[in-house]
Amino acid sequence: QKEVEQNSGPLSVPEGAIASLNCTYSDRVSQSFFWYRQYSGKSPELIMSIYSNGDKEDGRFTAQLNKASQYVSLLIRDSQPSDSATYLCAVQPGNTGKLIFGQGTTLQVKP
Amino acid sequence: SQTIHQWPATLVQPVGSPLSLECTVEGTSNPNLYWYRQAAGRGLQLLFYSVGIGQISSEVPQNLSASRPQDRQFILSSKKLLLSDSGFYLCAWRVGPNEKLFFGSGTQLSVL
Repeated sequence: QKEVEQNSGPLSVPEGAIASLNCTYSDRVSQSFFWYRQYSGKSPELIMSIYSNGDKEDGRFTAQLNKASQYVSLLIRDSQPSDSATYLCAVQPGNTGKLIFGQGTTLQVKP
Repeated sequence: SQTIHQWPATLVQPVGSPLSLECTVEGTSNPNLYWYRQAAGRGLQLLFYSVGIGQISSEVPQNLSASRPQDRQFILSSKKLLLSDSGFYLCAWRVGPNEKLFFGSGTQLSVL
């Protein structure tokens, strides 16, 4: 079982729709969770961080964390073509220094 | 403000040649430093991380090594490159465990 799993996609949504990206993790004592966006040929950029159960909203983005079910999700409201990218979920397992990334989900927003 | 510098942006090396990639962070002290590799169409693979000078944790034993000779400097090396070493190499930093990770601009390495 991979430590962090994401559906590779592509996930295709029409412009203006809500995009829902999901991520599951294996380490029950994971403490920190992050979502990154990566455009082709570029380095990842941080979108959201979440540390406790529930929802966290920042503009059009909402991160959701459920530690009991070991999943974290990212919702993008009013999706725009510029949101087309690969979204990476990152999890810190236990009290370690490392940060593990999922394979990423490719999002395509069609005008 | 903190900044991270990584160079070169692109590199083409023959099989069997050595490698040295350097990364420096400005504007912070004692950062946690990371090297990741991303093969074409793949996710980010953690190679090494360091929580302090001289402290290196290796996640994927292979023909790569890392060193941290100074507080804000992280170097990725190889004595002899393999074809499978090709990929996008990313240096990253954060102030400590559980904190946000910030990436450099990356080095696209092609081994031919």
